[in-house]
Amino acid sequence: GAGVSQSPRYKVAKRGQDVALRCDPISGHVSLFWYQQALGQGPEFLTYFQNEAQLDKSGLPSDRFFAERPEGSVSTLKIQRTQQEDSAVYLCASSSDRGREQYFGPGTRLTVT
Amino acid sequence: AQSVTQLGSHVSVSEGALVLLRCNYSSSVPPYLFWYVQYPNQGLQLLLKYTSAATLVKGINGFEAEFKKSETSFHLTKPSAHMSDAAEYFCAVSDPNTGNQFYFGTGTSLTVIP
Repeated sequence: GAGVSQSPRYKVAKRGQDVALRCDPISGHVSLFWYQQALGQGPEFLTYFQNEAQLDKSGLPSDRFFAERPEGSVSTLKIQRTQQEDSAVYLCASSSDRGREQYFGPGTRLTVT
Repeated sequence: AQSVTQLGSHVSVSEGALVLLRCNYSSSVPPYLFWYVQYPNQGLQLLLKYTSAATLVKGINGFEAEFKKSETSFHLTKPSAHMSDAAEYFCAVSDPNTGNQFYFGTGTSLTVIP
């Protein structure tokens, strides 16, 4: 079956621009996660949804970061007024239940110039 | 709280040699543990997982890992390295009671020398 998909795969934004990153999880997966992976580092947690409810957003680095999953399926991570330090790969993962293995998408590489 | 330490950011082995990638964890509760592999410009692919059943876990592509509670370790091994094993490997830990997030190590880059 289809895995987790993300779009766009690559995004270049000028500093100060807003960006929106999309994630399509595996069909039926109730849990959805966003991670940020800086160059040469492991993924770091940003936020977690169970269905449409955002249960944990403790990893969002600032109030410029906002995530939603309005119908409990597709999710969007929005970054307002992008800064150079936002440059990273943003990974989305889904899981059939919390605590279970997470399946990752290919990521969106964001470069802020 | 959970955390993971991966000793050795770069490991080189000869083709056909044993692969050993180290992972030590810290957890206040019995954890779930995972190994993922990441190829360039791709997402993470699950290799294997420990979820409190058998302590020796077998995964895909001939990899296995052993959960050792006394050593708080979950090292990844493969008896014979193949060129296609060259990639970045990440160990992750989660709290099975909350499961809200995975905590990843900083990764180990595996190079296989022909």
